[in-house]
Amino acid sequence: AQKITQTQPGMFVQEKEAVTLDCTYDTSDPSYGLFWYKQPSSGEMIFLIYQGSYDQQNATEGRYSLNFQKARKSANLVISASQLGDSAMYFCAMREENTGTASKLTFGTGTRLQVTL
Amino acid sequence: DGGITQSPKYLFRKEGQNVTLSCEQNLNHDAMYWYRQDPGQGLRLIYYSQIVNDFQKGDIAEGYSVSREKKESFPLTVTSAQKNPTAFYLCASSIVRTRRTDTQYFGPGTRLTVL
Repeated sequence: AQKITQTQPGMFVQEKEAVTLDCTYDTSDPSYGLFWYKQPSSGEMIFLIYQGSYDQQNATEGRYSLNFQKARKSANLVISASQLGDSAMYFCAMREENTGTASKLTFGTGTRLQVTL
Repeated sequence: DGGITQSPKYLFRKEGQNVTLSCEQNLNHDAMYWYRQDPGQGLRLIYYSQIVNDFQKGDIAEGYSVSREKKESFPLTVTSAQKNPTAFYLCASSIVRTRRTDTQYFGPGTRLTVL
């Protein structure tokens, strides 16, 4: 069974600084995908970044990058140059990709990020 | 505008009543999903559907039912059999052509409260 662990319930970061949100995962499937979503107070889940287990390079999307360490089974999200609008809940999720069918996501419990002045 | 809409935003229900949550998408996505979120927790999958007239149970399907009569629509019914239905419900959709493009995009959610 898949499992996602986010050990930081809350994090603070100063505006313009970088912050790393931790995510570790467990799966027996050799092919999987890792996702990060942002959930502002409005509730909608916003897709940020994706990393495939066979991707050679770490994924990047603007100010977001994913520090993928396969041997450690970790997929940490790095947000550079934090902005006040980055304050939100952040969820790590995983999808096993050898099932041949649906894209079932397993989510972690999330990390609440607060950006301060 | 393309996107996923959910209605209503807030829903109140008396114990013992069934209630249906709406989810519509105009993204031409193949697959649709329903998740439940409880305070302080991540999302848990209730049901999902890859094509019209076909759907599968997720991890917490008991007390819920769905239908997929149209590609654009995937309503969720919370039945009186669901013991603790108060939660935030999120609908999502995805293309399902290749794995890389199979990213789920979410609607704004419905907050259900049982009185």
